Amino acid sequence: SYVLTQPPSVSVAPGKTARITCGGNNIGSKSVHWYQQKPGQAPVLVIYYDSDRPSGIPERFSGSNSGNTATLTISRVEAGDEADYYCQVWDSSSDHRVFGTGTKVTVL
Amino acid sequence: EVQLVESGGGLVQPGGSLRLSCAASGFTFSSYEMNWVRQAPGKGLEWVSYISSSGSTIYYADSVKGRFTISRDNAKNSLYLQMNSLRAEDTAVYYCARGPGRDIGDYFDYWGQGTLVTVSS
Repeated sequence: SYVLTQPPSVSVAPGKTARITCGGNNIGSKSVHWYQQKPGQAPVLVIYYDSDRPSGIPERFSGSNSGNTATLTISRVEAGDEADYYCQVWDSSSDHRVFGTGTKVTVL
Repeated sequence: EVQLVESGGGLVQPGGSLRLSCAASGFTFSSYEMNWVRQAPGKGLEWVSYISSSGSTIYYADSVKGRFTISRDNAKNSLYLQMNSLRAEDTAVYYCARGPGRDIGDYFDYWGQGTLVTVSS
């Protein structure tokens, strides 16, 4: 089965840029989606199809995908961005939806 | 406003059964594919099952295949998950999550608040 690997944690100071990676075999050939989950809440879609933002998601959130790594970038980080972030793809070979291992973003 | 409200969670013994429901409102339910996603306590997200808008196409994660059954009633705007032969490792918050429509189904644009299933003796 397809595996997505994320760093367990990322720490960033307010106003700086956080980059969260999602590694997978030739992930650049797939569409990657990203979710934000705050404690006790349901996940929220923040990026779909590698780099598209749903309405209501700040422009500070952006995404890219190439080769074996997809990246979620959060610019001008705010305290409210502290959350767990998950990448996700559709594995067409199995028709399974696959989540990454998740990254906890801490705002210092 | 899109709303997804799960119900049916609770405490069940190993080997037991439980049926989860998800009531949808605020959109044309019959036009959207739906999914169940779960999250064990303190763990990450795990996709469980997918059903197309008409119910004709269904997929399951290997971890639940043969034990769980997804279904929907478009007339009642409802999604279901019948869970049989439950194991301790099925303990999790179960979310229903909507796909983007047109049965593309490769991401989840709206989520319910989840219902907790605890499998324990």
